[in-house]
Amino acid sequence: AQRVTQPEKLLSVFKGAPVELKCNYSYSGSPELFWYVQYSRQRLQLLLRHISRESIKGFTADLNKGETSFHLKKPFAQEEDSAMYYCALRGTGFQKLVFGTGTRLLVSP
Amino acid sequence: DTGVSQNPRHKITKRGQNVTFRCDPISEHNRLYWYRQTLGQGPEFLTYFQNEAQLEKSRLLSDRFSAERPKGSFSTLEIQRTEQGDSAMYLCASSLAPPGQGAQQKLFFGSGTQLSVL
Repeated sequence: AQRVTQPEKLLSVFKGAPVELKCNYSYSGSPELFWYVQYSRQRLQLLLRHISRESIKGFTADLNKGETSFHLKKPFAQEEDSAMYYCALRGTGFQKLVFGTGTRLLVSP
Repeated sequence: DTGVSQNPRHKITKRGQNVTFRCDPISEHNRLYWYRQTLGQGPEFLTYFQNEAQLEKSRLLSDRFSAERPKGSFSTLEIQRTEQGDSAMYLCASSLAPPGQGAQQKLFFGSGTQLSVL
């Protein structure tokens, strides 16, 4: 079975503080992991995926197969980072994405 | 706007009625996906098309649900005999995958159709 767990419904930080949004997954094979983001009144959009190993808007995420985690990190949060963040997994041979329940990030001035 | 377009934006219907939603993907995209999202949850996969072929279907998709993509362009999702539990946001997404490319390509989501079943 494929499962994605995001333990925090809400994460509230001050501007300039470090941010870590947690994501743990359950999958017996080699997954592809993604982070999607939804800003207020906007569409769900891809933030980053582990195979690209890229940094987008200062965010990074490392796939840790030992801990089955794919936490999203940013060293200095900005107010414009406030949004809903979803971690998602794709299993080998499938096109469907399995999403977590999401974490709302609120960055206060 | 050249993004994924979904119509209608909102649909209110009575229990037992049939509803149909439409999705127009980005024009050159060959893959199209339907997801459903309820309050407090992440999107749940319903089905996926590559061109006109429906290649994956979730067990969530009961006999009352049917999706088509007749010419490999727009898609429709029909729900027959709606139930209150069908109330949700129905999201469509599309992507462009080169031939033989199995890896997940970037999904572009529409704004969704919010269904309310009374």
